[in-house]
Amino acid sequence: EGQLVESGGGLVKPGGSLRLSCVASGFAFNNAWMSWVRQAPGKGMEWVGRIRSKPDGGATDYAPPVKGRVTVSRDDSKNILYLQMNGLKTEDTAVYYCTRYSSTWYGSDSFDMWGQGTMVTVSS
Amino acid sequence: QSVLTQPPSLSAAPGQMVTISCSGSSSNIGSSYVSWYQHVPRTAPRLLIYENNRRPSGIPDRFSGSKSATSATLAITGLQTGDEADYYCGTWDSSLSSVVFGGGTKVTVL
Repeated sequence: EGQLVESGGGLVKPGGSLRLSCVASGFAFNNAWMSWVRQAPGKGMEWVGRIRSKPDGGATDYAPPVKGRVTVSRDDSKNILYLQMNGLKTEDTAVYYCTRYSSTWYGSDSFDMWGQGTMVTVSS
Repeated sequence: QSVLTQPPSLSAAPGQMVTISCSGSSSNIGSSYVSWYQHVPRTAPRLLIYENNRRPSGIPDRFSGSKSATSATLAITGLQTGDEADYYCGTWDSSLSSVVFGGGTKVTVL
């Protein structure tokens, strides 16, 4: 069974930037769509964004609250998923989970593998 | 405020059944497949149900899902102490062009 391990979280000031990484193992990363999901303290899950596999075009999509401030990218040679976050706000404080995103041609979307998460705190 | 509506908490005794509702609209549940996730705090969440009612390998058949119109339900039968967790529904919302989740339901085994 595969594994996802996130890193890069920490404390950052409002307006700052941070890049999260997720190392994938145990599955064909280059063929997988990948995604980031976050959970603010005491809140529910919130989708951040996704990236298609390169064979499927490699395009990205983002949730409205973060669009324009975050970028999801991938390095298939290293099996690493990234989340670049700029212009961070206090409301971006959350645990960020790396997930494998399962999407079918008939419209089924789900997150079938999750990492343990990395905490991002935005505070002055 | 989450796009999908779930009860904040439910409880039941061991061996009993609990059903978790997830209510949405025509732009999300009404036109997309629903998935369900189990999250024990400080651990990795896991997929319980996808495509409304399908279980990934390794998920016990005590967990089942269903969908009708703009609502979905997760049922857990034969409740066990290990089932204490937060449960989330999720789906694609075509109006928002975004994955949306419910606010989560905390299940307590009495």
